[in-house]
Amino acid sequence: QAVMTQEPSLTVSPGGTVTLTCGSSTGAVTSGNYPYWFQQKPGQAPRTLIYDTFNKHSWTPARFSGSLLGGKAALTLSGAQPEDEAEYYCMVSYSGGLWVFGGGTKLTVL
Amino acid sequence: EVQLVEAGGGLVQPGRSLRLSCAASGFRFEDYTMHWVRQAPGQALEWVSGITWNRDTITYANSVRGRFTISRDNAKKSLYLQMNSLRSEDTAFYYCATFNNYGGYWGQGTLVTVSS
Repeated sequence: QAVMTQEPSLTVSPGGTVTLTCGSSTGAVTSGNYPYWFQQKPGQAPRTLIYDTFNKHSWTPARFSGSLLGGKAALTLSGAQPEDEAEYYCMVSYSGGLWVFGGGTKLTVL
Repeated sequence: EVQLVEAGGGLVQPGRSLRLSCAASGFRFEDYTMHWVRQAPGQALEWVSGITWNRDTITYANSVRGRFTISRDNAKKSLYLQMNSLRSEDTAFYYCATFNNYGGYWGQGTLVTVSS
């Protein structure tokens, strides 16, 4: 089973820009892996920010965007706000109906 | 509005069984693949199992294969997870979720604690 790797922690200044990445042990992440990005705050259920690489939900703030970058899935936050401090998880799909989560990135806005 | 409501969690002894359920509303449940995802205290999310709309494809994480069984009842718009031979490492919040071309939707989760 593939292992997805995320940065364990990142720090961004208020108003700054940061990119979180999600790489696979089996090779490049592509749109065919339907990458998702989730935000989770302490004591809350996860919330989907991005699905199928770059699509946003109605509740996804415009400052979040998804993409593929250098063989990895990427989540970019442009204009960070204090309320964006959270844990972020990626998830991708593999053939046969298997899904794999990354280990999560703890984002600090400071 | 999509709603997923889990039930059935609780305290259970190692080696015993527990059945979780998830009631869905606000979307055509019968058209979509459904999943169970879990999160142990202080740990990352872990995909547990998925089942297609017609039960044609059922998949499990290595950590639960052979012990857990996912099922669904489209008429009742419900998803289930039968968990047998429970271990302490199965202690976690269990979330019902769907991931499809319209997005990703989660329930609020139900806590399963495996302890003697």
